[in-house]
Amino acid sequence: KNEVEQSPQNLTAQEGEFITINCSYSVGISALHWLQQHPGGGIVSLFMLSSGKKKHGRLIATINIQEKHSSLHITASHPRDSAVYICAVPGRGATNKLIFGTGTLLAVQP
Amino acid sequence: EAQVTQNPRYLITVTGKKLTVTCSQNMNHEYMSWYRQDPGLGLRQIYYSMNVEVTDKGDVPEGYKVSRKEKRNFPLILESPSPNQTSLYFCASSPTGLLSYEQYFGPGTRLTVT
Repeated sequence: KNEVEQSPQNLTAQEGEFITINCSYSVGISALHWLQQHPGGGIVSLFMLSSGKKKHGRLIATINIQEKHSSLHITASHPRDSAVYICAVPGRGATNKLIFGTGTLLAVQP
Repeated sequence: EAQVTQNPRYLITVTGKKLTVTCSQNMNHEYMSWYRQDPGLGLRQIYYSMNVEVTDKGDVPEGYKVSRKEKRNFPLILESPSPNQTSLYFCASSPTGLLSYEQYFGPGTRLTVT
């Protein structure tokens, strides 16, 4: 079983829909990262969170440390949101080593 | 402009020919890291550095070396590249580590070893 699991692996949505991507992890953590990778490869860090909720524009990230689960929500989705979304957590006993989920490929159709 | 730069962006080389991929950041960040990305395996960490002269192994360090002689630079060295090191490589930096700050990623280096 992977230490970081994301669901769904693939997601197709219509423009304007509310999107949720989930990340579950088995290690005890103090921070979780959400990344975005557009076609063509560049990676952008969206959020680093250790508790509660963070919001940036149409993106919202939440984390429940007790349940070892985080969600990334996109409100009013747009085709430019089409990308791979990746969650990552520090490794077991190594807070500056990252373990990555395999990513969620999101396609938002106009 | 605050950024992480990598060079070269694309490289095709042959087995055994030593190469260096450079990484530089202009944000005075203490933490720097190298990752590789492969289809089906996702992103994996190669090496990271908490500060000058402080480096440590990630999950897949075999076949790679790094050095951190200056705060801004963190080169990745492949002493004897092999085809299984064909991959997309990313360098990233963060002010003080992964518990407090997000990372800034370089544009990536696509390496092919024949």
